[in-house]
Formats: sequence, structure tokens, C-alpha cells
Amino acid sequence: AQRVTQPEKLLSVFKGAPVELKCNYSYSGSPELFWYVQYSRQRLQLLLRHISRESIKGFTADLNKGETSFHLKKPFAQEEDSAMYYCALSRNTGTASKLTFGTGTRLQVTL
Amino acid sequence: DGGITQSPKYLFRKEGQNVTLSCEQNLNHDAMYWYRQDPGQGLRLIYYSQIVNDFQKGDIAEGYSVSREKKESFPLTVTSAQKNPTAFYLCASSPGLIKNEKLFFGSGTQLSVL
Repeated sequence: AQRVTQPEKLLSVFKGAPVELKCNYSYSGSPELFWYVQYSRQRLQLLLRHISRESIKGFTADLNKGETSFHLKKPFAQEEDSAMYYCALSRNTGTASKLTFGTGTRLQVTL
Repeated sequence: DGGITQSPKYLFRKEGQNVTLSCEQNLNHDAMYWYRQDPGQGLRLIYYSQIVNDFQKGDIAEGYSVSREKKESFPLTVTSAQKNPTAFYLCASSPGLIKNEKLFFGSGTQLSVL
């Protein structure tokens, strides 16, 4: 069965410090992974997906199949990065995106 | 203003009562989803629909039912068979054109049992 693990419920860092939000997965197929973010009083929204190999708001995430990880990183944290972050794994079913979510990590960036 | 609208924002259910959560989208998306979120847990998929008049069970479908009579609407009914209905419910949609599209989420409905 597929599973997504985010070991940290809360990650507190100082502004300007590097950030790494951990995500590990278990899946027998070829994984498609995503990071979703929820800022205060906003809706859950896509931050980035591994197939795009993009950098959004300074965040990057590399899929490491050997370690079954998809950690989210940013070299210098900003106050506006404070939010709830969810790692998600997609199980393809036709054109529907069935996602398995992790439990989420709250990132708190302090001055 | 395009997007996904969930109503009501808060809903209370009495024992033995069925309640229906509304989800409407004007994004012209084919695929729609219902997720349940409990404190300290991730989102879990209840039901999803890839096209009108078709829907599939997700991981925790027991005690829930859905319909997809119109493209823009995907209501979720929490039946009396759902013994632990208190949770935050999120509706989402995606274009349904290709695999692994991003999901667009509504603002959620908090359901509580009286």
C-alpha cells in the first residue's frame, strides 16, 4: 500500500536560515510526487511537482528513488513561507489524480 | 470569480441524521474529489469522479455517498452509517485532461456532531 510520511509536525526556523521539510514515501509503482501548501486563511494549493523540476518561491524538491524521499528545500527562509506543507503521492487512475497525503508539517519562520 | 465553492462553512449533524455537503465549481473541470481531514492526519480520499454520471470509491468511502449529475456539482452525503463524521471536508477538482494535474481546492466544510 502507498504511504507518505512527514516525520515533523512542526518545524521552526529563523528568517534567513535554510529549510528542509522531510517527506518519505512507499509505493510499488512509479511515483509522482507533489508538495501542497496552505497559507493562513487561504486554500490548499499546489506548490510544486517533481515531474516539472521547477523552483517555486525559492523552493525545490528532488525525488530520490533510492531513499524514497522527496524533501522540500529552500536555502533562505522568509517570513511569508510560514504555512502548512503537505507532501502527496499520486496514484494514477485514468485522468483522475488520486493523491495520498502526508500528515503535514507546519513551518514557522521567526525573526 | 472562478473557483470551487463549498457550502456551508459549518454544519452540525444530529445522531442518525444524513447531511449533504455542497461542492460547486465553475472551472469547467471534469474531475472532482472529496477529501476528509482529521486533526493530526493528512487528507484521505472519500470519493472521486472523473466525468459526469460516474464516480468511484476512494480509501474511506464507507458511510458516505455522492452523485455527479452535473459537471459543476459533486455533493457529498454523510449518512447515519458514518459513525465518526466529525471532520473537515475538502472538495477539489482538476481538469481531467492529463495525468497528475494539480488539484484546485475549496475552502472546506467543518462538520460536527451534536
